[in-house]
Amino acid sequence: GEDVEQSLFLSVREGDSSVINCTYTDSSSTYLYWYKQEPGAGLQLLTYIFSNMDMKQDQRLTVLLNKKDKHLSLRIADTQTGDSAIYFCAETPWGQGGKLIFGQGTELSVKP
Amino acid sequence: EAGVTQSPTHLIKTRGQQATLRCSPISGHTSVYWYQQALGLGLQFLLWYDEGEERNRGNFPPRFSGRQFPNYSSELNVNALELEDSALYLCASIAGAELEAFFGQGTRLTVV
Repeated sequence: GEDVEQSLFLSVREGDSSVINCTYTDSSSTYLYWYKQEPGAGLQLLTYIFSNMDMKQDQRLTVLLNKKDKHLSLRIADTQTGDSAIYFCAETPWGQGGKLIFGQGTELSVKP
Repeated sequence: EAGVTQSPTHLIKTRGQQATLRCSPISGHTSVYWYQQALGLGLQFLLWYDEGEERNRGNFPPRFSGRQFPNYSSELNVNALELEDSALYLCASIAGAELEAFFGQGTRLTVV
């Protein structure tokens, strides 16, 4: 089946690192994504990783993929108050085009 | 270059009415996806259109339907509206082999 799970809340201090975790069940996932949603806004693609990679770094963002455990994480270095948002993990099942299966979203709160 | 545009931004309907939501993909994108983001239910895949054809649909009743026009824009129609149809409806279009999905700002549908 296709299921993606995330913890619902994370609170960090400004300047600390944030780590948002995600688990998924579909072993046929091709790509895994992290999206950001600010209040009242649509979804902004932050980064994605192909399922045969185990790490991807993009400026302050680091994505780690453990395919054996079906675990994905997003690390945000030097977290800023502007990073406060809801972060969604998503995967695309193989053979279903670009259909995205989303987690419930993790609300990141950054305190000054 | 314009992103994915959706109209209207807000829509208020009464129970039993029909709602029509519109989406224009990024120029050159032929695939359009619709998602429902309802409170407490997360982001759920609704429909996928590509080259004018419906390619896949999520677990939604037949009163949710749509179409894609020759210019690749798309309409989502919801008939016989129910209170639980109140949600943010997001449209996305896809770029490239990495299946990178770009989202519009959404239409907030409120059923009263």
